[in-house]
Amino acid sequence: DQQVKQNSPSLSVQEGRISILNCDYTNSMFDYFLWYKKYPAEGPTFLISISSIKDKNEDGRFTVFLNKSAKHLSLHIVPSQPGDSAVYFCAAPGGSQGNLIFGKGTKLSVKP
Amino acid sequence: NAGVTQTPKFRILKIGQSMTLQCTQDMNHNYMYWYRQDPGMGLKLIYYSVGAGITDKGEVPNGYNVSRSTTEDFPLRLELAAPSQTSVYFCASSPPGTGYEQYFGPGTRLTVT
Repeated sequence: DQQVKQNSPSLSVQEGRISILNCDYTNSMFDYFLWYKKYPAEGPTFLISISSIKDKNEDGRFTVFLNKSAKHLSLHIVPSQPGDSAVYFCAAPGGSQGNLIFGKGTKLSVKP
Repeated sequence: NAGVTQTPKFRILKIGQSMTLQCTQDMNHNYMYWYRQDPGMGLKLIYYSVGAGITDKGEVPNGYNVSRSTTEDFPLRLELAAPSQTSVYFCASSPPGTGYEQYFGPGTRLTVT
């Protein structure tokens, strides 16, 4: 039973346009969400996070939106660059051990 | 700071062989984790540790063992390798008090044939 879902395995976007990556969750107790970015042959790296007391958090070209009533969050990248091509994971600290529960990831391809 | 380092980067094992995946962090983080990532899937927790001498099982611990004798090191042991353990293994660490933003190593790609 997936508690964090990323239903789009892949997304292709033209350079300069907006990339929107989506994530849904089922556990209403989740109060913090993170996005990780992963390049091939590397470990995930932290990108941006949001607390459930906010509905938006912005960091440069990256903005995360949280809709608690819909149990949905999205990551917006504007403008998209070819270097943004990677797999993006949505995660929530949901385990009793403090571990992160990850979605399956969305592979973003930004075409020049 | 090197962050979180893992060795080896790649390994091929035969069924029934054993090996240890090494993980070291130099950030003085108390919390350390081992995850595995299967193709097309998210990361799943194998074992975790909240400090030297303290370890506990995660979601998928069968077939693995860990130890934590120092703050820096958190090795993962596979005793009798099985094809189901073919995966990419990531070690991560985080400071106490948050447990949220975890720092990951580059991973070890293991194939069991």
